[in-house]
Amino acid sequence: GAGVSQTPSNKVTEKGKYVELRCDPISGHTALYWYRQSLGQGPEFLIYFQGTGAADDSGLPNDRFFAVRPEGSVSTLKIQRTERGDSAVYLCASSSGVGNTIYFGEGSWLTVV
Amino acid sequence: GENVEQHPSTLSVQEGDSAVIKCTYSDSASNYFPWYKQELGKRPQLIIDIRSNVGEKKDQRIAVTLNKTAKHFSLHITETQPEDSAVYFCAASRSNTGKLIFGQGTTLQVKP
Repeated sequence: GAGVSQTPSNKVTEKGKYVELRCDPISGHTALYWYRQSLGQGPEFLIYFQGTGAADDSGLPNDRFFAVRPEGSVSTLKIQRTERGDSAVYLCASSSGVGNTIYFGEGSWLTVV
Repeated sequence: GENVEQHPSTLSVQEGDSAVIKCTYSDSASNYFPWYKQELGKRPQLIIDIRSNVGEKKDQRIAVTLNKTAKHFSLHITETQPEDSAVYFCAASRSNTGKLIFGQGTTLQVKP
């Protein structure tokens, strides 16, 4: 596609529920990143993939968060047992290679009630 | 840990004036410094970036300067226009990791 595509654009879920957020990177981009942005803050790094493997998952806050990229293209961020503090915009980004320009998607706005 | 400090948090200028936003970083191995502009409810969009092998880069009304010794870099916008109003984020990374560390953001308001 022309840009990084994320679905859903908005998600409201109840505390304790499971959520999946999907990211479709720019075609041909091998590196894919997940960030989280809270209101009034800069994006916070969660994880990035080079191909199918997670190259750095040091930003995942705890074991309720998990991400996969099984075929080296689309990625899914999975959040188990959601908490109100998980409410934020989850931004996906991609680049043609590690160290190259990073392009962001519009984000998935998650609200946990 | 890695940290990027950004100042000021808010900046209000008159149309046509210049705006300067400053960032400092803690990781001396950082060598890539992008700047993103984010409008309300929209994605961060890259406006300019600089790598550590140069001290300054310019693109029309936007310029970025880098002082590696001081671990400091700045965004300069000249002849500001109302459409420049947005939140601006600086970031730093090691180019072999792809992991951007962002500043806290600067809300720029350009008054017509």
